[in-house]
Amino acid sequence: AQKVTQAQTEISVVEKEDVTLDCVYETRDTTYYLFWYKQPPSGELVFLIRRNSFDEQNEISGRYSWNFQKSTSSFNFTITASQVVDSAVYFCALSEGNAGNMLTFGGGTRLMVKP
Amino acid sequence: KAGVTQTPRYLIKTRGQQVTLSCSPISGHRSVSWYQQTPGQGLQFLFEYFSETQRNKGNFPGRFSGRQFSNSRSEMNVSTLELGDSALYLCASCLGDHMSGANVLTFGAGSRLTVL
Repeated sequence: AQKVTQAQTEISVVEKEDVTLDCVYETRDTTYYLFWYKQPPSGELVFLIRRNSFDEQNEISGRYSWNFQKSTSSFNFTITASQVVDSAVYFCALSEGNAGNMLTFGGGTRLMVKP
Repeated sequence: KAGVTQTPRYLIKTRGQQVTLSCSPISGHRSVSWYQQTPGQGLQFLFEYFSETQRNKGNFPGRFSGRQFSNSRSEMNVSTLELGDSALYLCASCLGDHMSGANVLTFGAGSRLTVL
């Protein structure tokens, strides 16, 4: 069965620091998709990125970057020069190839960025 | 365009009652999924509906049910409420087409249910 682990339950940094959120996943499928979502205090999950299992290229979007490594079953997320507005809970999620739109979420990492 | 709309946003019920939550997806989205979020269990998949048919179901008791209407709007119902059903219930919609792989889900703000 699929599983997503986010070992860091809470991280606190000072503004402008870089921070990396870890995500480790387990699946038996060779085709799968990985996601990151952000949940601000309002409660709505906001999509950040989707990656499929055949694309191991790292991705950078502004201050955000993602490192996908199949060899270690990890999909880590780095925020460069963090800002107070980055404070939220971040979720990593997995969808197996035959599971349609069913996502398995990790437990989430609460990021607090202090001014 | 309008996002995913969930109603009501907050509600309080007592044990043994039932509750119905509503979700209006983004226009053109045919798939609606429901998730339960609790501090103890995190985010858990409840079910997915596509074209009025349940396509996937999570590991929840039969007290949890749902349906989807021809306009893609969806409702979920929880009968015989228990204290442990207190949670944030999130609805998400997407196009639903699996040809290009897992879709990106757009989530609503959720319905926060408190069971006393």
